[in-house]
Amino acid sequence: DIVMTQTPSSQAVSAGEKVTMSCKSSQSLLYSENKKNYLAWYQQKPGQSPKLLISWASTRESGVPDRFIGSGSGTDFTLTISSVQAEDLAVYYCEQYYDTPPTFGGGTKLELK
Amino acid sequence: QVQLQQSGAELAKPGSSVKISCKASGYTFTSYDISWIKQTTGQGLEYIGYINTGSGGTYYNEKFKGKATLTVDKSSSTAFMQLSSLTPEDTAVYYCARSEEDWFAYWGQGTLVTVSS
Repeated sequence: DIVMTQTPSSQAVSAGEKVTMSCKSSQSLLYSENKKNYLAWYQQKPGQSPKLLISWASTRESGVPDRFIGSGSGTDFTLTISSVQAEDLAVYYCEQYYDTPPTFGGGTKLELK
Repeated sequence: QVQLQQSGAELAKPGSSVKISCKASGYTFTSYDISWIKQTTGQGLEYIGYINTGSGGTYYNEKFKGKATLTVDKSSSTAFMQLSSLTPEDTAVYYCARSEEDWFAYWGQGTLVTVSS
């Protein structure tokens, strides 16, 4: 199985700050035939189900604020929140769907500083 | 709107089985696979497998073969997951999710399964 490693495991932030978090995969998620990276990002708030933010490494879902930016390729990916809002405090997970079974990272928890 | 409504929390004894349901609405049920995902504090999110809601064909993550059995009732747009030979390690929140090429845009609200004597 592909191993997904997220860093940091937690991060204390202030409202308005720019935040970046990392997701690394144990093998490339870039499919050469279509040049797509098979990576998704999710946000999970306490007591809620995960919510899909981004697929194909950088394609935001409809309704997701444009302060959420996915980037990266191959084995290294980043989720950036350009200006953190209070409602963004949550755990963020990456998921690879390049190979079966899909696998998830351990998550990055955003907390209030 | 797309909704996946899961059955309620379960308290089960070690060695027993539970069956969780996931009722879909707001879309053509047989157009998408339903996947099942386990969440624990220690292991995070783990993919259990999926069922093709049209054919009933299934895929299981090797780790969950023999533990989970996926079925579907097309007449009621409901997917089911049975967990057998329960141990405390099966205590978790279990989610169903609609599969979109193996990423998940729609999730159920989760079902807490607690295994305790």
